[in-house]
Amino acid sequence: SYELTQPPSVSVSPGQTASITCSGDNLGDKSACWYQQKPGQSPVLVIYQDSKRPSGIPERFSGSNSGNTATLTISGTQAMDEADYYCQARDSSTVVFGGGTKLTVL
Amino acid sequence: QVTLKESGPVLVKPTETLTLTCTVSGFSLSNARMGVSWIRQPPGKALEWLAHIFSNDEKSYRTSLKTSLTISKDTSKSQVVLTMTNMDPVDTATYYCARTRIYSSSYYFDYWGQGTLVTVSS
Repeated sequence: SYELTQPPSVSVSPGQTASITCSGDNLGDKSACWYQQKPGQSPVLVIYQDSKRPSGIPERFSGSNSGNTATLTISGTQAMDEADYYCQARDSSTVVFGGGTKLTVL
Repeated sequence: QVTLKESGPVLVKPTETLTLTCTVSGFSLSNARMGVSWIRQPPGKALEWLAHIFSNDEKSYRTSLKTSLTISKDTSKSQVVLTMTNMDPVDTATYYCARTRIYSSSYYFDYWGQGTLVTVSS
């Protein structure tokens, strides 16, 4: 079965750029998306179709996908961006999530 | 305004069948290129996709749970129902329903319910 691999944790200083990776076999041939989940809350879509931002998502969130890796980039990271982030892709008629990355802003 | 709300039991016993209902508003279950998925999250763990159903009644299930899951919809009631048989304590999780969008080669979830915590215990 298809798997997506994320680093368990990423740390970033406020105002700096955070990059969270998601690896999967030929992931670049698929379409990746990203969700933000804060404690006790439901996930929120922040990037879909590799690099598109839903309405209401700040411009500091961006995405890319090539080769075996999709990347979520948060520019000018703010304290409010501290959360768990999950990548997700379609595999045939099913869906796969990555294991999640805890982003710490310190 | 799109909303989804999960309902169902908070506690089930091992071997019992879980039935969860997702009631949607702000869109129709007959809208093309849309559907509803069920996704769960065990405490402190990652998201797990379980199943989806689309407007054309196409269904798909998590491979490892295929024999225990059934998804269905009642368009007139704006409801999607998930049943999961032979529940086990490892199935303790928050269960979410989410609107599913289909675009080219991608599925993504643009609206989520608040989730419902289901505990499996005797």
